[in-house]
Order: sequence, then C-alpha cells, then structure tokens
Amino acid sequence: AQSVTQLGSHVSVSEGALVLLRCNYSSSVPPYLFWYVQYPNQGLQLLLKYTTGATLVKGINGFEAEFKKSETSFHLTKPSAHMSDAAEYFCAVSSTQGGSEKLVFGKGTKLTVNP
Amino acid sequence: ETGVTQTPRHLVMGMTNKKSLKCEQHLGHNAMYWYKQSAKKPLELMFVYNFKEQTENNSVPSRFSPECPNSSHLFLHLHTLQPEDSALYLCASSQDSYGTDTQYFGPGTRLTVL
Repeated sequence: AQSVTQLGSHVSVSEGALVLLRCNYSSSVPPYLFWYVQYPNQGLQLLLKYTTGATLVKGINGFEAEFKKSETSFHLTKPSAHMSDAAEYFCAVSSTQGGSEKLVFGKGTKLTVNP
Repeated sequence: ETGVTQTPRHLVMGMTNKKSLKCEQHLGHNAMYWYKQSAKKPLELMFVYNFKEQTENNSVPSRFSPECPNSSHLFLHLHTLQPEDSALYLCASSQDSYGTDTQYFGPGTRLTVL
C-alpha cells in the first residue's frame, strides 16, 4: 500500500531564506508524486507533479522538487521564501494498484514565513 | 463561474438534521471526488465517480450518501451525523481518474455537527 510521510508538521523560515519541505513515500510500484498547496479558507492547488522523465520538477511560484528513487523522497524547495508562501503544503502519491488509482496524501506541513 | 465550486461554504447542523453539500465543476472533467479534511489527519478520500459511476467508496459510513447526476455535479447527502463528522469537506475533479491526472479542488464546505 502507498503511504506518504511529511517530516515536520510546522516549518518556520525567514523571508528570503531557503524553503525545504520534506516528503518520503512508500510505494511498491513506480509512483506518481504531487505537491499541493492550501491557502487559508481555500481548497488545494497543484504546485507540481512528477510522473515520468526528468527527476527535477519545476512548479509554480518558484517551487521545485526532486524525485530520488533511491531515497524514496520528493522534497519541495524554494530558494527564497516570500511572505505569500505562508500556507499548508501537502505531498501526495498515486500509483496503479489492482486497477485502483487514487491519491494518498501526507498530513501536511504548515509553512510560516517571518518578516 | 470557473473551476470547482462548492455550496454552502459553511454549514452547522444538528445530529438529527438532513442536509446536502453541492459541488459543480466547470472544467469538462469526467471524474469527481469527495474528500474529508480533519485537523491533524491526512486528507481522506471518501468517494470517486468516473463518468457518473461510483468507482470508489472508501468504507464511508452510510450516513454519507453521494449522488452524481452528471459529470459536472456531485452531491453529498448527510443525515444523522455525529460530532466527529465535523470537518472540511472538499470536492475535486480531474480529466479522468488516472493516477497522473491533476485534481482540481473546490474551496470546501466547513461542516460543524452539534
């Protein structure tokens, strides 16, 4: 069965600092990996996704993530945090198992950006 | 309207009430989903519909009853709920239900059961 672990339920960075949000997954078949962001009082919005091909994936708002199969990781980074990045971030994994394809989400990491 | 819309945005109901949540997608997608988002728990998939047919019921209690009259509309009928059912209920849609498809989420309905 697939699972996702997000290390750190809360991460706090200063404006302009590097953002690193960690995600490790478990999947017995090649995974598809996603990062979603949720701003207050809103639904989830896709930041980026990895399906096949290049392991470094670039997304919206300057975020990127690297799929590392050997480490079963898909960490999200942004070189310089902006106040508007404050939100909750969810990592998710999807794969075909028994004909059922569905997203399994991590518990989320709440990012705070300090001025 | 664009994207995925949900109504109402907030709902307070007693344990004996019957209410319905509505979701509409304006993206021409074929698959629609209901998720439950509770504090400190991962997003939980409840139901999946593909071309109006239910393809996934994630062991959801029968007090939650979904309805999908067409590919653009999805309802969640609620009756005799429990206080632990209080949560944010999110609707999503995707082109199809393949694992690579991006899901587009609505803003959610914040449900409080008294």
